[in-house]
Amino acid sequence: AQKVTQAQTEISVVEKEDVTLDCVYETRDTTYYLFWYKQPPSGELVFLIRRNSFDEQNEISGRYSWNFQKSTSSFNFTITASQVVDSAVYFCALSEAEVGGTSYGKLTFGQGTILTVHP
Amino acid sequence: KAGVTQTPRYLIKTRGQQVTLSCSPISGHRSVSWYQQTPGQGLQFLFEYFSETQRNKGNFPGRFSGRQFSNSRSEMNVSTLELGDSALYLCASSFRGDYNEQFFGPGTRLTVL
Repeated sequence: AQKVTQAQTEISVVEKEDVTLDCVYETRDTTYYLFWYKQPPSGELVFLIRRNSFDEQNEISGRYSWNFQKSTSSFNFTITASQVVDSAVYFCALSEAEVGGTSYGKLTFGQGTILTVHP
Repeated sequence: KAGVTQTPRYLIKTRGQQVTLSCSPISGHRSVSWYQQTPGQGLQFLFEYFSETQRNKGNFPGRFSGRQFSNSRSEMNVSTLELGDSALYLCASSFRGDYNEQFFGPGTRLTVL
């Protein structure tokens, strides 16, 4: 069964510190996608990134970077030089093939990591 | 392009009542997924609709149902409300639903008294 674990429940940092959010997943499939979402206090989940299981290249987008390692089933997210606006709950999610070869719109989410960035 | 909209944003109901929530996806998106978010269980998948057909369903009782219309708008219904149904209900739309990134609406906060 698919499962996503975000072991860090809460992280607190001071502005300009780098912070890494961990995500470990379990899946029986060879084809799957991994996602990160941000949920600010307003409640709306904001899409950050999608990676497929065949692409292990790290990705950088501004202050955000992602490290995908299939060998350890991890998809970690790093924020460089954190800012107060980065304060939010961050979710890692997994989408894998259901019967028929597609995910049919189902994301399995981790429990989320609450990130607080202090000025 | 307008985002995903959900109505109403807040609802207060009493046990035993039923409720209908509405979701309008991003224009051109044909897949709509629904999720329940609670402090205890986190984000859980309810069901997904594509072209008016339910393609996938999570582990929720039959009191939770949904439908999708020809314009891709979707509704979910919860009958015989229980206290434990109090949650943030999130709707997400995507182009096809299969592995696409999903774009979420602001959610409907349901409180059951």
